[in-house]
Amino acid sequence: AQSVAQPEDQVNVAEGNPLTVKCTYSVSGNPYLFWYVQYPNRGLQFLLKYITGDNLVKGSYGFEAEFNKSQTSFHLKKPSALVSDSALYFCAVRDPTGFQKLVFGTGTRLLVSP
Amino acid sequence: DTEVTQTPKHLVMGMTNKKSLKCEQHMGHRAMYWYKQKAKKPPELMFVYSYEKLSINESVPSRFSPECPNSSLLNLHLHALQPEDSALYLCASSRQGETNEQYFGPGTRLTVT
Repeated sequence: AQSVAQPEDQVNVAEGNPLTVKCTYSVSGNPYLFWYVQYPNRGLQFLLKYITGDNLVKGSYGFEAEFNKSQTSFHLKKPSALVSDSALYFCAVRDPTGFQKLVFGTGTRLLVSP
Repeated sequence: DTEVTQTPKHLVMGMTNKKSLKCEQHMGHRAMYWYKQKAKKPPELMFVYSYEKLSINESVPSRFSPECPNSSLLNLHLHALQPEDSALYLCASSRQGETNEQYFGPGTRLTVT
């Protein structure tokens, strides 16, 4: 079965420092990977995706993610964190058995302190 | 326009009530989804509509009844809900195809009393 793991429930970082939110995946076939962010009491917002090609994917709000096939990882990164980046981040993988299904990780809460 | 709208924002209903949640998008997406999300948990897929036809039902209890009257609208009819059904209900849409991202609405916060 397809799955993604987010090993950290929470990540704390100071404003201005780089941030990394970790995600590892387990899929059969091609991994189609996504990152979403959710602010309190809001829906999910799409940040970026990896389908094929360049392993470094750039997305919205200055976020990027690095796809690493050998480590089966898709970590989300940002060079300089903002307090407004504080939110809940979900990694997701497309389930090839039902092409319209996304399998989400458990989420990582990012807290950026001033 | 990359917006998915949902109404109402909040809904409180008793266990004997009938209510409906509404979702609308004007992005020309032909896939639409209903998710249920509990606090601090990831969204759980409930239903998928593809070209206005139900294509995935994730074994959701019959007290939840989806409807897709046209390519822009998605409804979720609620009847005889239980308190454990209280959650944030999210609607999403996407273009067809496994590489396309989903766009989510802000959700309806449902409380069943």
